[in-house]
Amino acid sequence: DQQVKQNSPSLSVQEGRISILNCDYTNSMFDYFLWYKKYPAEGPTFLISISSIKDKNEDGRFTVFLNKSAKHLSLHIVPSQPGDSAVYFCAASETGNQFYFGTGTSLTVIP
Amino acid sequence: GAVVSQHPSRVICKSGTSVKIECRSLDFQATTMFWYRQFPKKSLMLMATSNEGSKATYEQGVEKDKFLINHASLTLSTLTVTSAHPEDSSFYICSVYRRNQPQHFGDGTRLSIL
Repeated sequence: DQQVKQNSPSLSVQEGRISILNCDYTNSMFDYFLWYKKYPAEGPTFLISISSIKDKNEDGRFTVFLNKSAKHLSLHIVPSQPGDSAVYFCAASETGNQFYFGTGTSLTVIP
Repeated sequence: GAVVSQHPSRVICKSGTSVKIECRSLDFQATTMFWYRQFPKKSLMLMATSNEGSKATYEQGVEKDKFLINHASLTLSTLTVTSAHPEDSSFYICSVYRRNQPQHFGDGTRLSIL
């Protein structure tokens, strides 16, 4: 049973525009969320996190929004750059220990 | 954050071979490491939690006799895929757990069983 879902397997965005990646979860006990970026043949790289006490966390071009009532989080990248092209995974945990990952969204930023 | 080295990056071998994958924490003494498996277009699936000095904790459906985990030191965990078969072909990734920090991952091992 997939506790974390990314319903869009792929997304294409023009360079300079905003990329919005979405993630939904089912376990209301999750209290810590992360986004990872993954290039082919490499391990995931941590991008940004948010805890359930916040509804927004910003780091440069990357902002994560958390809507606890909807069990939804999103990653905004603005402006998008070609180097952002990668697969993005969201992950969630209850204890900060075991994480559950979404299936990933492949982002392509078109120059 | 933790720096994680995973080796080898790619393995191609015949069916029936046992394959060992190493995961090293280069800058942090890790009592806990995780092993994940990723199938094409699928999520990262946690296989087991590797605990230094004790037995690994396996997720439901993961055969512990098939996927042997050894965490003999604070900087090294190994995953051995015993008598590998084509269905074991996958991308295996380890990560290091550090309290109150995101997990940091190795670069993964692409295992292909012929």
